Amino acid sequence: NAGVTQTPKFQVLKTGQSMTLQCAQDMNHEYMSWYRQDPGMGLRLIHYSVGAGITDQGEVPNGYNVSRSTTEDFPLRLLSAAPSQTSVYFCASSPEGGISYGYTFGSGTRLTVV
Amino acid sequence: KQEVTQIPAALSVPEGENLVLNCSFTDSAIYNLQWFRQDPGKGLTSLLLIQSSQREQTSGRLNASLDKSSGRSTLYIAASQPGDSATYLCAVLDSGGGADGLTFGKGTHLIIQP
Repeated sequence: NAGVTQTPKFQVLKTGQSMTLQCAQDMNHEYMSWYRQDPGMGLRLIHYSVGAGITDQGEVPNGYNVSRSTTEDFPLRLLSAAPSQTSVYFCASSPEGGISYGYTFGSGTRLTVV
Repeated sequence: KQEVTQIPAALSVPEGENLVLNCSFTDSAIYNLQWFRQDPGKGLTSLLLIQSSQREQTSGRLNASLDKSSGRSTLYIAASQPGDSATYLCAVLDSGGGADGLTFGKGTHLIIQP
Protein backbone atom coordinates (compact mmCIF):
# COMPACT_ATOMS: atom_id res chain seq x y z
CA ASN A 1 0.00 0.00 0.00
CA ALA A 2 1.25 3.45 -0.87
CA GLY A 3 -0.82 5.09 1.89
CA VAL A 4 -1.26 8.84 1.43
CA THR A 5 0.64 10.32 -1.50
CA GLN A 6 1.22 14.04 -1.91
CA THR A 7 2.61 15.82 -4.94
CA PRO A 8 4.64 17.87 -5.51
CA LYS A 9 7.10 17.65 -2.60
CA PHE A 10 8.41 21.17 -3.18
CA GLN A 11 6.98 24.18 -5.02
CA VAL A 12 7.89 27.83 -5.45
CA LEU A 13 5.15 30.20 -6.58
CA LYS A 14 5.02 33.86 -7.35
CA THR A 15 2.45 36.01 -5.59
CA GLY A 16 -0.86 35.83 -7.41
CA GLN A 17 -0.22 32.52 -9.12
CA SER A 18 -2.57 29.61 -8.64
CA MET A 19 -1.77 25.95 -8.17
CA THR A 20 -3.20 22.65 -6.98
CA LEU A 21 -1.63 20.44 -4.34
CA GLN A 22 -2.49 16.82 -5.00
CA CYS A 23 -3.40 14.21 -2.41
CA ALA A 24 -4.32 10.60 -3.11
CA GLN A 25 -4.91 7.64 -0.81
CA ASP A 26 -5.32 3.98 -1.70
CA MET A 27 -6.81 2.78 1.59
CA ASN A 28 -10.46 3.48 0.72
CA HIS A 29 -10.68 6.01 3.56
CA GLU A 30 -13.80 8.15 3.70
CA TYR A 31 -12.25 11.01 5.69
CA MET A 32 -9.58 13.21 4.17
CA SER A 33 -8.21 16.52 5.39
CA TRP A 34 -5.60 19.18 4.76
CA TYR A 35 -3.36 20.79 7.40
CA ARG A 36 -0.73 23.46 7.23
CA GLN A 37 2.31 23.53 9.50
CA ASP A 38 3.98 26.81 10.34
CA PRO A 39 6.89 27.45 12.72
CA GLY A 40 5.65 28.06 16.25
CA MET A 41 2.02 27.41 15.28
CA GLY A 42 1.61 23.67 15.13
CA LEU A 43 -0.54 22.00 12.50
CA ARG A 44 -3.87 23.66 11.68
CA LEU A 45 -6.84 22.24 9.80
CA ILE A 46 -7.62 23.94 6.47
CA HIS A 47 -10.42 21.88 4.92
CA TYR A 48 -11.78 18.39 5.35
CA SER A 49 -14.07 15.92 3.63
CA VAL A 50 -16.20 13.16 5.12
CA GLY A 51 -16.77 11.46 1.77
CA ALA A 52 -16.99 12.01 -1.98
CA GLY A 53 -18.95 15.14 -2.75
CA ILE A 54 -18.84 16.49 0.81
CA THR A 55 -16.37 19.09 2.04
CA ASP A 56 -16.24 21.58 4.90
CA GLN A 57 -14.03 24.29 6.31
CA GLY A 58 -11.53 23.90 9.09
CA GLU A 59 -9.75 26.49 11.19
CA VAL A 60 -7.90 28.37 8.42
CA PRO A 61 -9.81 27.98 5.12
CA ASN A 62 -9.35 31.44 3.58
CA GLY A 63 -7.49 31.45 0.27
CA TYR A 64 -7.96 27.73 -0.31
CA ASN A 65 -10.50 25.69 -2.23
CA VAL A 66 -11.20 21.95 -2.20
CA SER A 67 -13.41 19.43 -3.91
CA ARG A 68 -13.86 15.67 -3.53
CA SER A 69 -15.06 13.97 -6.68
CA THR A 70 -13.68 10.53 -5.79
CA THR A 71 -12.93 8.67 -2.56
CA GLU A 72 -9.23 8.50 -3.47
CA ASP A 73 -8.41 12.13 -4.28
CA PHE A 74 -8.65 15.37 -2.33
CA PRO A 75 -6.85 18.24 -4.09
CA LEU A 76 -6.17 21.59 -2.43
CA ARG A 77 -6.29 24.65 -4.66
CA LEU A 78 -4.59 27.96 -3.98
CA LEU A 79 -6.59 30.51 -5.93
CA SER A 80 -4.16 33.45 -5.77
CA ALA A 81 -1.04 32.65 -3.79
CA ALA A 82 0.15 35.04 -1.09
CA PRO A 83 3.40 35.06 0.92
CA SER A 84 1.32 34.21 4.02
CA GLN A 85 0.59 30.84 2.41
CA THR A 86 4.24 29.85 2.58
CA SER A 87 4.04 26.71 4.68
CA VAL A 88 4.30 22.95 4.73
CA TYR A 89 1.04 21.29 3.75
CA PHE A 90 0.01 17.86 4.93
CA CYS A 91 -2.83 15.68 3.73
CA ALA A 92 -4.31 13.08 6.09
CA SER A 93 -6.90 10.34 5.82
CA SER A 94 -8.89 8.07 8.11
CA PRO A 95 -11.47 5.33 7.57
CA GLU A 96 -13.99 6.85 9.98
CA GLY A 97 -12.91 10.31 11.07
CA GLY A 98 -10.08 9.09 13.25
CA ILE A 99 -12.27 7.80 16.07
CA SER A 100 -11.12 4.19 16.12
CA TYR A 101 -8.04 4.07 13.91
CA GLY A 102 -6.51 7.52 14.01
CA TYR A 103 -5.16 9.38 11.00
CA THR A 104 -2.52 8.56 8.38
CA PHE A 105 -0.49 11.47 7.04
CA GLY A 106 1.29 12.08 3.76
CA SER A 107 4.89 13.23 3.52
CA GLY A 108 3.97 16.86 2.88
CA THR A 109 4.38 19.60 0.29
CA ARG A 110 6.74 22.44 1.10
CA LEU A 111 5.40 25.60 -0.57
CA THR A 112 7.20 28.92 -0.85
CA VAL A 113 5.39 31.99 -2.19
CA VAL A 114 7.67 34.84 -3.24
CA LYS B 1 -11.75 25.91 21.79
CA GLN B 2 -9.44 22.98 22.44
CA GLU B 3 -5.83 23.88 23.16
CA VAL B 4 -2.96 21.39 23.31
CA THR B 5 0.32 22.19 25.04
CA GLN B 6 3.52 20.18 24.95
CA ILE B 7 6.27 20.52 27.49
CA PRO B 8 9.20 20.78 27.13
CA ALA B 9 9.53 22.45 23.73
CA ALA B 10 13.01 20.98 23.38
CA LEU B 11 14.97 18.29 25.17
CA SER B 12 18.51 17.00 24.81
CA VAL B 13 19.62 13.90 26.73
CA PRO B 14 22.45 11.36 26.55
CA GLU B 15 21.86 8.04 24.90
CA GLY B 16 20.43 5.34 27.15
CA GLU B 17 18.33 7.57 29.37
CA ASN B 18 14.64 7.05 29.96
CA LEU B 19 12.60 10.15 29.27
CA VAL B 20 9.08 11.54 29.48
CA LEU B 21 7.37 13.94 27.11
CA ASN B 22 4.27 15.75 28.33
CA CYS B 23 1.07 16.78 26.59
CA SER B 24 -1.89 18.60 28.12
CA PHE B 25 -5.25 19.55 26.67
CA THR B 26 -7.95 21.91 27.90
CA ASP B 27 -11.18 20.10 26.94
CA SER B 28 -11.59 16.53 28.16
CA ALA B 29 -14.37 15.76 25.63
CA ILE B 30 -12.14 13.77 23.30
CA TYR B 31 -12.42 10.54 21.35
CA ASN B 32 -8.71 9.82 21.49
CA LEU B 33 -5.17 11.15 21.62
CA GLN B 34 -2.52 10.30 19.05
CA TRP B 35 1.26 10.63 19.34
CA PHE B 36 3.26 11.26 16.17
CA ARG B 37 6.92 11.43 15.28
CA GLN B 38 8.21 13.90 12.69
CA ASP B 39 11.72 13.72 11.30
CA PRO B 40 13.22 16.90 9.77
CA GLY B 41 11.64 17.67 6.40
CA LYS B 42 9.43 14.60 6.61
CA GLY B 43 5.81 13.72 7.26
CA LEU B 44 4.13 12.53 10.43
CA THR B 45 4.46 8.93 11.53
CA SER B 46 1.86 7.66 13.96
CA LEU B 47 3.37 6.12 17.09
CA LEU B 48 0.48 5.39 19.42
CA LEU B 49 -3.28 5.96 19.52
CA ILE B 50 -5.00 6.00 22.91
CA GLN B 51 -8.78 5.88 23.07
CA SER B 52 -10.52 8.04 25.68
CA SER B 53 -11.54 4.88 27.58
CA GLN B 54 -7.95 3.61 27.79
CA ARG B 55 -5.24 4.46 30.29
CA GLU B 56 -2.18 3.51 28.28
CA GLN B 57 -0.78 2.00 25.12
CA THR B 58 2.61 0.40 24.53
CA SER B 59 4.69 -0.20 21.42
CA GLY B 60 8.21 -1.48 21.89
CA ARG B 61 10.17 1.05 23.95
CA LEU B 62 7.32 3.55 23.85
CA ASN B 63 4.55 3.82 26.40
CA ALA B 64 1.84 6.46 26.28
CA SER B 65 -0.55 7.17 29.12
CA LEU B 66 -3.77 9.16 29.18
CA ASP B 67 -5.57 10.82 32.10
CA LYS B 68 -8.59 12.30 30.39
CA SER B 69 -10.09 13.85 33.51
CA SER B 70 -6.98 15.92 34.19
CA GLY B 71 -6.31 16.58 30.50
CA ARG B 72 -2.87 15.02 30.42
CA SER B 73 -0.89 12.48 28.45
CA THR B 74 2.72 11.37 28.69
CA LEU B 75 4.97 9.59 26.22
CA TYR B 76 7.63 7.51 27.93
CA ILE B 77 10.66 6.48 25.88
CA ALA B 78 12.81 3.79 27.44
CA ALA B 79 16.53 3.37 26.81
CA SER B 80 16.71 6.24 24.34
CA GLN B 81 18.81 5.91 21.17
CA PRO B 82 20.20 8.49 18.72
CA GLY B 83 17.64 7.25 16.19
CA ASP B 84 14.89 8.54 18.49
CA SER B 85 15.95 12.10 17.70
CA ALA B 86 12.94 13.81 16.12
CA THR B 87 10.05 16.10 16.92
CA TYR B 88 7.22 14.43 18.81
CA LEU B 89 3.70 15.75 18.36
CA CYS B 90 0.55 14.95 20.27
CA ALA B 91 -2.92 15.55 18.87
CA VAL B 92 -6.44 15.11 20.23
CA LEU B 93 -9.66 14.33 18.39
CA ASP B 94 -12.53 16.26 19.96
CA SER B 95 -15.89 14.64 20.57
CA GLY B 96 -17.69 17.85 21.41
CA GLY B 97 -18.73 18.77 17.88
CA GLY B 98 -17.37 21.36 15.50
CA ALA B 99 -14.97 20.76 12.65
CA ASP B 100 -13.74 17.23 12.19
CA GLY B 101 -10.03 17.00 12.65
CA LEU B 102 -7.14 16.90 15.06
CA THR B 103 -5.91 19.64 17.37
CA PHE B 104 -2.14 19.53 17.61
CA GLY B 105 0.42 20.67 20.12
CA LYS B 106 3.51 22.49 18.90
CA GLY B 107 5.74 19.52 19.56
CA THR B 108 8.79 18.55 21.58
CA HIS B 109 12.08 18.61 19.68
CA LEU B 110 14.13 15.72 21.06
CA ILE B 111 17.87 15.22 20.59
CA ILE B 112 19.55 12.06 21.85
CA GLN B 113 23.28 12.57 22.19
CA PRO B 114 25.46 9.56 21.23
